[in-house]
Amino acid sequence: NAGVTQTPKFQVLKTGQSMTLQCAQDMNHEYMSWYRQDPGMGLRLIHYSVGAGITDQGEVPNGYNVSRSTTEDFPLRLLSAAPSQTSVYFCASSIKGRSYEQYFGPGTRLTVT
Amino acid sequence: KQEVTQIPAALSVPEGENLVLNCSFTDSAIYNLQWFRQDPGKGLTSLLLIQSSQREQTSGRLNASLDKSSGRSTLYIAASQPGDSATYLCAVSLLRDDKIIFGKGTRLHILP
Repeated sequence: NAGVTQTPKFQVLKTGQSMTLQCAQDMNHEYMSWYRQDPGMGLRLIHYSVGAGITDQGEVPNGYNVSRSTTEDFPLRLLSAAPSQTSVYFCASSIKGRSYEQYFGPGTRLTVT
Repeated sequence: KQEVTQIPAALSVPEGENLVLNCSFTDSAIYNLQWFRQDPGKGLTSLLLIQSSQREQTSGRLNASLDKSSGRSTLYIAASQPGDSATYLCAVSLLRDDKIIFGKGTRLHILP
């Protein structure tokens, strides 16, 4: 199993551009989530999904969209990038939800200029 | 609102020492608590998961305890090694919804 994979590893955007961060898992996990990690702020939950077709907001959802059309994929869309979205983004998954071990991807480092 | 606090933010200890990392949370209505390790520039690796009904979990040189009523967990590392140097994070999963809330971590440096 590849586990949780994220692409790209690094990305530089200009303010106002849009892009999609990709996340995929091959473990047939139902629960997937996106976090951002910033110095001094720790990991903050952006959006999460408890299964295909179901998504919900986390602590910091503004400026981000998600969809979950398949069990394997959970892309994160930045609609109009802002410098405040400069961060490291992590995708995570678990077999059934919050009660199970969380598996994290390697992260995407995003810089918005 | 659930808040998760980890003190200290950074810790340096000589190799071979036993050490304790602390995690506290404000709302005891949790489903479980997990401890993670993060190496610089990498993702998080799960170390131990304690269900709310459990008091402790052990894996090798690591032992995590949970006192839900007082809102505290500790991660005990025995016979520390330079390879243990990393940031350690704790996270609680909430009973009331499907969210997981993280602490900001303790950056651990083991001195050779």
